[in-house]
Amino acid sequence: QVQLEQSGAEVKKPGASVRVACKASGYTLTHYDLNWVRQSPGQGLEWMGWMHPLSGSTEYAQKFQERVIMTRNISINTAYLELSSLTSDDSAIYYCARTTYFYFDVWGTGTAVTVSS
Amino acid sequence: RMTQSPTSLSASTGDRITITCRASQDIDTYVAWYQQKAGKAPNLLIFSSSSLQSGVPSRFSGSGSGTDFSLTINSLQSDDFATYYCLQYYSRPNTFGRGTKLEIK
Repeated sequence: QVQLEQSGAEVKKPGASVRVACKASGYTLTHYDLNWVRQSPGQGLEWMGWMHPLSGSTEYAQKFQERVIMTRNISINTAYLELSSLTSDDSAIYYCARTTYFYFDVWGTGTAVTVSS
Repeated sequence: RMTQSPTSLSASTGDRITITCRASQDIDTYVAWYQQKAGKAPNLLIFSSSSLQSGVPSRFSGSGSGTDFSLTINSLQSDDFATYYCLQYYSRPNTFGRGTKLEIK
């Protein structure tokens, strides 16, 4: 069964960084592209960026360009999102999503990030 | 940019409803539709504007090409009351509609 299991909820202070993990099971991470999407409380879905796990190539939304890094560890079939210089506006649920023919077919379980002093 | 309407919709079980998304430029048929329930990740319903994802009930259908797209749900069931989003994947940055909350009348 294809699944994307994400790491647990995080609470961070303003200015800190957070790293969210996304572990693929039921398929090999490098066989499909991966995207990250976030959802602020009561809000819609916001695309953050894309990664090609085989090559490590990435493309980030302009809004996050300066403070986001998407990486992967192929040996453990896991992708990572790191977001730095956090503010309260970054409090959201972060999702990884597998890409099939460019659309997002399998979504991760979601990771809640709370930024609070 | 994807302009989705309506923002919210009240309907009864058994009704037929339609949600629309308008793209700011021609995106061919590169549109997907998702259902999201509270506390859960989005779930893929439709891809390529009109292709039904495996396991999704046939009461869900999608149509459109170019700039105008729609999601139709025939004979609403209680399980269908949720929020729906469109996604354009013609080009990055991928963009979502702002969502339509479908509520029980």
